[in-house]
Formats: sequence, C-alpha cells, structure tokens
Amino acid sequence: QKEVEQDPGPLSVPEGAIVSLNCTYSNSAFQYFMWYRQYSRKGPELLMYTYSSGNKEDGRFTAQVDKSSKYISLFIRDSQPSDSATYLCAMILYGGSQGNLIFGKGTKLSVKP
Amino acid sequence: NAGVTQTPKFQVLKTGQSMTLQCAQDMNHEYMSWYRQDPGMGLRLIHYSVGAGITDQGEVPNGYNVSRSTTEDFPLRLLSAAPSQTSVYFCASSLPGQTNTGELFFGEGSRLTVL
Repeated sequence: QKEVEQDPGPLSVPEGAIVSLNCTYSNSAFQYFMWYRQYSRKGPELLMYTYSSGNKEDGRFTAQVDKSSKYISLFIRDSQPSDSATYLCAMILYGGSQGNLIFGKGTKLSVKP
Repeated sequence: NAGVTQTPKFQVLKTGQSMTLQCAQDMNHEYMSWYRQDPGMGLRLIHYSVGAGITDQGEVPNGYNVSRSTTEDFPLRLLSAAPSQTSVYFCASSLPGQTNTGELFFGEGSRLTVL
C-alpha cells in the first residue's frame, strides 16, 4: 500500500461547480497536510496547508483533515476555468525535514466555461 | 524577485552523455532539493540539501550526483544518461521554519529527453 493515495482523475466539471479533491494516507504519524496546485508546464505552488485535524478556509478553497479516517480533502467553491490545474496533496511527519515530504500523484482538474 | 531558477528548460541527450541541470535561488533558503516528475508516478525526491556542504539521498538517487558549495546553487549532474531518466526535473527550496509546514518553492522545471 502506498503511503499516500490520490485519484489521478482527470476530473471535468462545469464552471461554478463545487469540486472535491481527496487523498488517503496510511501513516498515522503525518501531522502537516498540504495542497499544491500545478498549472500545465509549471512548477507546483503551495495552495494551502493545515496542521493536524480540522478545516482551513481561504477564499473559495477549504482544506479538511480527518485524521481518524486518514483522509484529507480540498473543496473548491464556485470553480473557475482558472482553477484548471493538477492538484497534489502532500504530507509530512511532525519534526520531519524537507526530505520527508510525501506527495500524492496529483488529480488533474478541468473546469469548463 | 526571481525565486527558483532552473536551466536549461529543455534538453535532449543521447544515451551515455553527461550533463548538469542548474538550480539557483535568491531567497537565502537553506533547504534545496531535486524532484523528478513522471506520468503516473508523481513527484519523487532525488537528492536534497539542508545547507551548504551537506547533501543527502532521496527516494531515487541512482544515476545522479549533487553538490552544494553555496547557499544559492544546487546543481544536479547526470553521470551517464539513460532513457529511464527522461523526465521533468524540478528544483525546490525552503527556509528551515517552512520545511515542517511543507512549503516548498519550486522552479518551472527542466524537461529532459534521453534518446
């Protein structure tokens, strides 16, 4: 079993839809959870991060962590064509270094006007 | 503010050739790393460095060398290129405090094809 599982998609939605992106993980010691956004032919950029369980909201984006289920989600409200990108989840152990960051394989999202 | 700069952006090599992918950052970040990204495989860590003079291996280090003589630069060397090294390579950096939150700053990538 991979440490981090992420459905690769592709996921296609109409503009204005609510998008739900998810990852599951196996190591209960993960403490920091991140979502990166990667536009085509660009490097990933950090979108949001959360520590331990709970929700975090930033504009149209909400990150949710359920440690009991080992499940994290990213919700995008009122999705826009500019949200079309690949979204990668990532996580790290508490006290871990840069070398211990584990990425999911990414979900490709397309928002159609 | 340049951030993380990678050169070249595109490169085609023949099997057995060697080359160096350059990475430079102007944010005074101590942590730097190299990833490769392949379809269906996601981002995989090749090598990383926690500061000048210190390097360590990641998940897929074979066939690659790194050195870190300055804080700004972290070149990745392919010793004898193989078709299996065809990939998109990303350099990333971060400050120590940001490392634990996973905030990495990535370059735009170097696309390498080995024939």
